Parts: sequence; C-alpha cells; structure tokens
Amino acid sequence: GAVVSQHPSWVICKSGTSVKIECRSLDFQATTMFWYRQFPKQSLMLMATSNEGSKATYEQGVEKDKFLINHASLTLSTLTVTSAHPEDSSFYICSARGDRGGEAFFGQGTRLTVV
Amino acid sequence: QKEVEQDPGPLSVPEGAIVSLNCTYSNSAFQYFMWYRQYSRKGPELLMYTYSSGNKEDGRFTAQVDKSSKYISLFIRDSQPSDSATYLCAFSSGNTPLVFGKGTRLSVIA
Repeated sequence: GAVVSQHPSWVICKSGTSVKIECRSLDFQATTMFWYRQFPKQSLMLMATSNEGSKATYEQGVEKDKFLINHASLTLSTLTVTSAHPEDSSFYICSARGDRGGEAFFGQGTRLTVV
Repeated sequence: QKEVEQDPGPLSVPEGAIVSLNCTYSNSAFQYFMWYRQYSRKGPELLMYTYSSGNKEDGRFTAQVDKSSKYISLFIRDSQPSDSATYLCAFSSGNTPLVFGKGTRLSVIA
C-alpha cells in the first residue's frame, strides 16, 4: 500500500507552547488529508478534513484556532496544536487519500504529552 | 440506527483458528469497504479494500461484502499471535471521510 510518514512519533511539551506535527505522503499525491485524535482503547475521532490548497473543514466541537491545519502541497499537511494544555495530551493520527477516493492510508501516529 | 455497528470484543482464539470479524452498516451510499488493523500505539494499517460487493482474498485474509444485507466480513485463516490487534471496519461513499466501526480487539493465544 501507499506510504504515509508522520513525524514526530512522540513529543513532550510544556503547557502553553505549540507543537507541530507533520504528515507526508511519500509515493502518491494526497488530495485529501484527515486528522484524527484517539484516546486509549477508543476508536478514531475525526478532527478535520483538508484538501490541498483549501481551508480545513473542522468537525463539530474541534477548535480551529487551537488545532491549526495546513495542507499547502499534495504531499504535506501539518497540524499545529497551539497553546497546548495537559488535556490536549493524546494520540494524533493523520490519514491521506488520493484523487480516486475510497481507501485512505494512515501515518504512524504522534503521541503528544503536555506537562 | 447507528451508521456502523461492530462488536468490540474482546475476541480470544487459539493459534491456528479461523477468525471471523463482522460489521453491519446502514448507509446505502457506501461504495468502498475497508478493513484496517491497528496495533497498540500505532496508526491503522490498511488490510483489505473492496469496491462494491464481492469477495477479495489476500494471503490468509478474505474480505466479503454483501451490499444487499449491508454486511461485511473479514476472515483470517491460520491465525497467528502476530494477528493480535484491533481490527477496524471502514466505509466511504467516495470523497467523504471514512466512517469507522469501533473496532474489535483480537487476541490470538499461542
């Protein structure tokens, strides 16, 4: 399957700082990228959908000013958690899909811990 | 009625057993049917992808889609301890976000 690379795999940051997570599609053009959050032993929670060159569409209850998503190219999307707080600690996963629709490929995930 | 229903398990089987995982769905617009495997603290990995109804086989894995019954299955033959993971069914109608089941936790005991 196609490869999606997500970095960093884990990060620890202090409260009030910002953290940027990168998601790259290595061998295909990702016209759509999705960002998810996952709590332990729970399913994926969609945070936002982004199309290359467009503003992201956020799910209800997700603060767009706190979770900044940029999808500036067909191979790169970033999620920036601004002014992080301990309750933002979670597992964040990106997913990318090509222009034919259908299946999506996931990154390895980023474990964020805010102290 | 929930859009997707998946038994969360946990499901525990002995090594070598045949595993059957299932999901039902209610949205007739779904055309793409997927199964993902997720190990703890990792991103989901696409196992099987099917467009429309039918069967698809890949090694020890077989995916079945029955659109008339709105029911999909994943079979794992000769299950191995390395198959122990959470299995997620996922659905899409095209360019919309994937809709996931809650996942079934599988343990294969050596």
